[in-house]
Amino acid sequence: DSGVTQTPKHLITATGQRVTLRCSPRSGDLSVYWYQQSLDQGLQFLIQYYNGEERAKGNILERFSAQQFPDLHSELNLSSLELGDSALYFCASSGLAGGGANVLTFGAGSRLTVL
Amino acid sequence: DQQVKQNSPSLSVQEGRISILNCDYTNSMFDYFLWYKKYPAEGPTFLISISSIKDKNEDGRFTVFLNKSAKHLSLHIVPSQPGDSAVYFCAASATGGYNKLIFGAGTRLAVHP
Repeated sequence: DSGVTQTPKHLITATGQRVTLRCSPRSGDLSVYWYQQSLDQGLQFLIQYYNGEERAKGNILERFSAQQFPDLHSELNLSSLELGDSALYFCASSGLAGGGANVLTFGAGSRLTVL
Repeated sequence: DQQVKQNSPSLSVQEGRISILNCDYTNSMFDYFLWYKKYPAEGPTFLISISSIKDKNEDGRFTVFLNKSAKHLSLHIVPSQPGDSAVYFCAASATGGYNKLIFGAGTRLAVHP
């Protein structure tokens, strides 16, 4: 158990629908990151939050949005779902505030299947 | 624009031999490099890192080498064990980029008895 909790583990939905993925970071970590892994591809950075504020954005679609709440958990909202959104979505957390290697701790992922 | 590239999708090695996984990067602003290991149905787990001011970092059977002039790093596993069979991701970060990690596509390592 990495300490990063993601729910749900699996989700099957239809095109056009909206889903919400939830992440609880490791205790004490202020930063939350969301990554997408499509079939046989690397992890694509979507977005980062630090203590409730958006810090960095990657190639996140406009149909996707995220937020980090005061209790530091985060949600990734995916709307108007398309077949190509089927992927593993990973949340990671870290406590890094300054320099040094940013070792992210990953959750087990949420597998989204869009039919 | 792939800033971190792992050009070998897969690698097969015999148990006890050395496994060498390679990674190339394009962004000269990267100052930390990390390797992650991923088993099926699990999230990636951190393996080893190296700062750009070093050219080698060792942790048990795992050694990472960095060649800044070539923008290349490699992970050596000696000796390889069947339990090392997993997907290995190379990742990089730049201190000015809020430390987000940019990942390569991964290399699937299979270690055969």
